Amino acid sequence: AQSVTQLDSHVSVSEGTPVLLRCNYSSSYSPSLFWYVQHPNKGLQLLLKYTSAATLVKGINGFEAEFKKSETSFHLTKPSAHMSDAAEYFCVVSDLRGTYKYIFGTGTRLKVLA
Amino acid sequence: EAGVAQSPRYKIIEKRQSVAFWCNPISGHATLYWYQQILGQGPKLLIQFQNNGVVDDSQLPKDRFSAERLKGVDSTLKIQPAKLEDSAVYLCASSLELGRGVKTQYFGPGTRLLVL
Repeated sequence: AQSVTQLDSHVSVSEGTPVLLRCNYSSSYSPSLFWYVQHPNKGLQLLLKYTSAATLVKGINGFEAEFKKSETSFHLTKPSAHMSDAAEYFCVVSDLRGTYKYIFGTGTRLKVLA
Repeated sequence: EAGVAQSPRYKIIEKRQSVAFWCNPISGHATLYWYQQILGQGPKLLIQFQNNGVVDDSQLPKDRFSAERLKGVDSTLKIQPAKLEDSAVYLCASSLELGRGVKTQYFGPGTRLLVL
């Protein structure tokens, strides 16, 4: 069975400093992995996705993530945090068989301090 | 391109009442999903449609929840009767791809339900 673990429920960073949001996955098959962001009272917006091509994936708003099979990780990073990055971030795994349904992590709330 | 539309955005009802949510997916998207997101948790899939057929409804509480997508376009999710624990955000998503392979999902803004 597929699962995803977001290691931190809350992360606080200062504006202009790097962001690291951690995600580990479990999958019997080669997974597809996604990061979504959810701003207050908004729907989920796709940041980036990994689908077995390049292991370093670049997304919108300066975010990127690296797929590391040996570590079963897909951590999200950004070199310099902006106040507008404050939101909830979800890591998602989708296996490549069956219905390809999404399995969500429990989310990481990012706080950006001025 | 218009995104996934949902209505209403907010709803407050009393327990044992019924409620319905509407979703219009991105034009041309064959697959439609309904999720329940309880405060502090990640979204949980309730039901997945491909065109007007149900692909997965294994986590839909069928004694009180129902959903339909009669013409393979927009969809309605109903709760009857509502319970306090149904208070959540109900998200609708859609994806373009058919058949095998990864399906990237695009989400609507959600309907926030409060059951008193």
